[in-house]
Amino acid sequence: ETGVTQTPRHLVMGMTNKKSLKCEQHLGHNAMYWYKQSAKKPLELMFVYSLEERVENNSVPSRFSPECPNSSHLFLHLHTLQPEDSALYLCASSNDGGPYEQYFGPGTRLTVT
Amino acid sequence: KQEVTQIPAALSVPEGENLVLNCSFTDSAIYNLQWFRQDPGKGLTSLLLIQSSQREQTSGRLNASLDKSSGRSTLYIAASQPGDSATYLCAVKADSWGKLQFGAGTQVVVTP
Repeated sequence: ETGVTQTPRHLVMGMTNKKSLKCEQHLGHNAMYWYKQSAKKPLELMFVYSLEERVENNSVPSRFSPECPNSSHLFLHLHTLQPEDSALYLCASSNDGGPYEQYFGPGTRLTVT
Repeated sequence: KQEVTQIPAALSVPEGENLVLNCSFTDSAIYNLQWFRQDPGKGLTSLLLIQSSQREQTSGRLNASLDKSSGRSTLYIAASQPGDSATYLCAVKADSWGKLQFGAGTQVVVTP
């Protein structure tokens, strides 16, 4: 595997389910990010982890819970989501000491029914 | 608060024409600016990264310029091809934590 991978690629869940999104980076980076992309809206940053420590939580509802067990893996735990949470969730990574170029995974298309 | 704008929102050109995509930002205090390409339903592919101290970057048929003082960047794609059809996004890094502020993108269609 190379670059940034995300699983699953597609997910359909009910409002009462609990699921997790997984991201793995194979680039030796030390920072990882979760973004949300909704239709007709710019990408929104959700969380930033640098050296496995969360450094930004962009006013995201508590029904989204991130976890970064090490610098290569990032999870987004989901529970009691709303239909408006349906979106493409993108993971990215970069090197915090420079050159700061962010590399993105293919995304998980989430549909909440 | 940093705001990033991309105009036009959509663009259609015949194959072979040069593409010019614009990105503007309101706060000139940026670390860098990155251009991405996104195909429908897919993730983002990084095209070019321009550091705040640079004026331009080139990669193959792509050239991106940066004018921090006027808050503008332009992406030029020479001799466009149907495979260049995609949405192009620009993003600025405005703080030390790697947070990127994205524009809404320009959707490009290159017709054969």
